[in-house]
Amino acid sequence: KAGVTQTPRYLIKTRGQQVTLSCSPISGHRSVSWYQQTPGQGLQFLFEYFSETQRNKGNFPGRFSGRQFSNSRSEMNVSTLELGDSALYLCASSLTGGIEGYTFGSGTRLTVV
Amino acid sequence: QKEVEQDPGPLSVPEGAIVSLNCTYSNSAFQYFMWYRQYSRKGPELLMYTYSSGNKEDGRFTAQVDKSSKYISLFIRDSQPSDSATYLCALTGTASKLTFGTGTRLQVML
Repeated sequence: KAGVTQTPRYLIKTRGQQVTLSCSPISGHRSVSWYQQTPGQGLQFLFEYFSETQRNKGNFPGRFSGRQFSNSRSEMNVSTLELGDSALYLCASSLTGGIEGYTFGSGTRLTVV
Repeated sequence: QKEVEQDPGPLSVPEGAIVSLNCTYSNSAFQYFMWYRQYSRKGPELLMYTYSSGNKEDGRFTAQVDKSSKYISLFIRDSQPSDSATYLCALTGTASKLTFGTGTRLQVML
């Protein structure tokens, strides 16, 4: 079966711009989570959506936002990009958001210049 | 102090060795414990998860949890070059938010 698909794989943006990243979960999975991965901080939780509702949120500024559509696909938006936003953004999906297992996508590598 | 501490390595071992990877944590609210493996340019892949203290075995992998010491381990027996990757521990109390260690880079040499 198809895994978690993230698009685009690579992205270069200029400081001050905004960016939208997309995630298509495994078919049937209703929970989608987003994580930021950097060499210094590792993987940090951004937010989780379940059935189009944000169920949990990490400690990131309001410039980071997300949404989930009725087909469970999710988008993440970062406005007013800063150099420190350069990171690998990972999306993970699971059936219910429990520990039955989160399946991660390969991520979107965002570089802010 | 971070909620989850993990030695970043790198850890280099010869093929066939037993590998021990560890994390310590400070938050007693963590109830679920997971190990992920991440290859270069890929997303993390779930290896094992456990809830209770004790051992859980899956093939060459054994996960060990000691809640009283707030210490978790992953053992890899008969390590192979294909095991070369970064290993991440992940902990959660609510199940919808994972707190990760920074990862240990493992290199298994021929």
